[in-house]
Amino acid sequence: RKEVEQDPGPFNVPEGATVAFNCTYSNSASQSFFWYRQDCRKEPKLLMSVYSSGNEDGRFTAQLNRASQYISLLIRDSKLSDSATYLCVVIGPAGNKLTFGGGTRVLVKP
Amino acid sequence: NAGVMQNPRHLVRRRGQEARLRCSPMKGHSHVYWYRQLPEEGLKFMVYLQKENIIDESGMPKERFSAEFPKEGPSILRIQQVVRGDSAAYFCASSPDRTKPDGYTFGSGTRLTVV
Repeated sequence: RKEVEQDPGPFNVPEGATVAFNCTYSNSASQSFFWYRQDCRKEPKLLMSVYSSGNEDGRFTAQLNRASQYISLLIRDSKLSDSATYLCVVIGPAGNKLTFGGGTRVLVKP
Repeated sequence: NAGVMQNPRHLVRRRGQEARLRCSPMKGHSHVYWYRQLPEEGLKFMVYLQKENIIDESGMPKERFSAEFPKEGPSILRIQQVVRGDSAAYFCASSPDRTKPDGYTFGSGTRLTVV
């Protein structure tokens, strides 16, 4: 079983719609969780950290479910510029490296 | 205030040659991480270094790959006798403190093509 798993998509989303997707992680002792965004052939960039209480940043909402070992990302009012690959990232108990999921591709269409 | 600098951006090598990838961390960052991204795949951890020390190399292939982060100068990822399967994007990240993951900043990557 992979340490961090994501549905690769693509999720085809009409502009203005809401899209949500999850990521599961295997190590229950994982410490920290993040969503990164990666545009085609570019470096990953931090989108947001994911906190136990859930957190929101504008149109983006992240949730953590430790009992079921998954995190989620919801994007409201999707924009064309939201088209990207969203990477779920986990820091394990050793705390010394980011472990990436394979990414979920989102395509927002007019 | 320059970010993480990687060079070259693109590197083409023939099979059997050596590839050297360089990463200069952000000013004040003493932790460097190397990741590899194969086409259509996610990023895979390779190695974590601090100045003059390899902390975790659990993701490094056993042969042909090595990494260093000398006291002076950039971190170097070295691939000897490259093969076609080494073709990938290699990203470097740096952080000031391993316990502050929000501080991970990635460079633009080096795209290695082996012909």
